[in-house]
Amino acid sequence: AQRVTQPEKLLSVFKGAPVELKCNYSYSGSPELFWYVQYSRQRLQLLLRHISRESIKGFTADLNKGETSFHLKKPFAQEEDSAMYYCALRGTGFQKLVFGTGTRLLVSP
Amino acid sequence: DADVTQTPRNRITKTGKRIMLECSQTKGHDRMYWYRQDPGLGLQLIYYSFDVKDINKGEISDGYSVSRQAQAKFSLSLESAIPNQTALYFCATSDVTGANTGELFFGEGSRLTVL
Repeated sequence: AQRVTQPEKLLSVFKGAPVELKCNYSYSGSPELFWYVQYSRQRLQLLLRHISRESIKGFTADLNKGETSFHLKKPFAQEEDSAMYYCALRGTGFQKLVFGTGTRLLVSP
Repeated sequence: DADVTQTPRNRITKTGKRIMLECSQTKGHDRMYWYRQDPGLGLQLIYYSFDVKDINKGEISDGYSVSRQAQAKFSLSLESAIPNQTALYFCATSDVTGANTGELFFGEGSRLTVL
């Protein structure tokens, strides 16, 4: 079974502080991992995918198969990063995304 | 940007009533999805459709039904609404390429309250 765990419901940091949003997954095959973000009054949207190895808005995420993790990191948080972040997994075969429960990031000035 | 439009955006109804949530898209995507969001539970897949003739159950399809009226329209129905179906419902789309890359395009959500 595919499962995504985001242990933190809320993560509160100050502007300029490093931020790490945790995501752990359970899947027996080779997963694809994604981070989706929902800013206030905006639609849920794709932030980044592990396969692209990209940095978006200063965020990066590395897939660690040994620890089955895909944590989202940013060295210096900005107030505009405040949003709801969802980690999602897709297994092989059927392209269905399984989402975690989400972490709300609050960046204070 | 109104590529994926959901109606109604908010609805309050009573137990036992039939409710339909509608989703239309102008993105030309073949694949459409209905998700439900509950606090602390994230997004759970209700139904998905890869094309007009292909409809599949998701993780939590009990109590729901869907209709893919056209490529651009995918409706979610609650035949007899119950209070624990109170939630925020999202429609999403993807094309084959998007499905391969994992990118879904979401609507703004429909908040349903069942009293």
